[in-house]
Amino acid sequence: DVKVTQSSRYLVKRTGEKVFLECVQDMDHENMFWYRQDPGLGLRLIYFSYDVKMKEKGDIPEGYSVSREKKERFSLILESASTNQTSMYLCASSLQTAYGYTFGSGTRLTVV
Amino acid sequence: QKEVEQNSGPLSVPEGAIASLNCTYSDRGSQSFFWYRQYSGKSPELIMFIYSNGDKEDGRFTAQLNKASQYVSLLIRDSQPSDSATYLCAVNMDDYKLSFGAGTTVTVRA
Repeated sequence: DVKVTQSSRYLVKRTGEKVFLECVQDMDHENMFWYRQDPGLGLRLIYFSYDVKMKEKGDIPEGYSVSREKKERFSLILESASTNQTSMYLCASSLQTAYGYTFGSGTRLTVV
Repeated sequence: QKEVEQNSGPLSVPEGAIASLNCTYSDRGSQSFFWYRQYSGKSPELIMFIYSNGDKEDGRFTAQLNKASQYVSLLIRDSQPSDSATYLCAVNMDDYKLSFGAGTTVTVRA
């Protein structure tokens, strides 16, 4: 089975801090995604990547950046954390999206 | 605007009953359709996918697809308390991304 690992399950950061969320997948998947999930708003795509060093903005990229230096790793960066970025962050990967995604276990980030 | 819409819920069913979840999508060219289950505080887990018109059964779950009506549904037979979760419909509308519905929360009453 594909495993998608997110480095932290829970994270508390202060306003203004630079925050790194790491995601690693072990099945050589081409595509990787970062979503945030908030009550009543569903899953919202932040960024995705379809190849190493390639990135595409999703629906809500403002305040975020990403890095994909190796195929297996996709990092989400909050340049200057703000309280409105308190959320559940979900990483996903797919070999081909026609076959669906596999999600990581999620990181619940609280910015205080 | 490419959209996926699900019946709003929440849906409450007695144990042993059939839970019926519905999903409509806007892009007629969509080819792949998925149902994810998400327990509270957990990440989504793929439980069913369907590509062709008709029914697909897997244990107590049946996915139904009607591309002409742009409609996909999920039936959960003999519902159990462990089926209590939010169910997300997802549709592959472009080469890379899935589009997700807002989810339907199902509660199975013992």
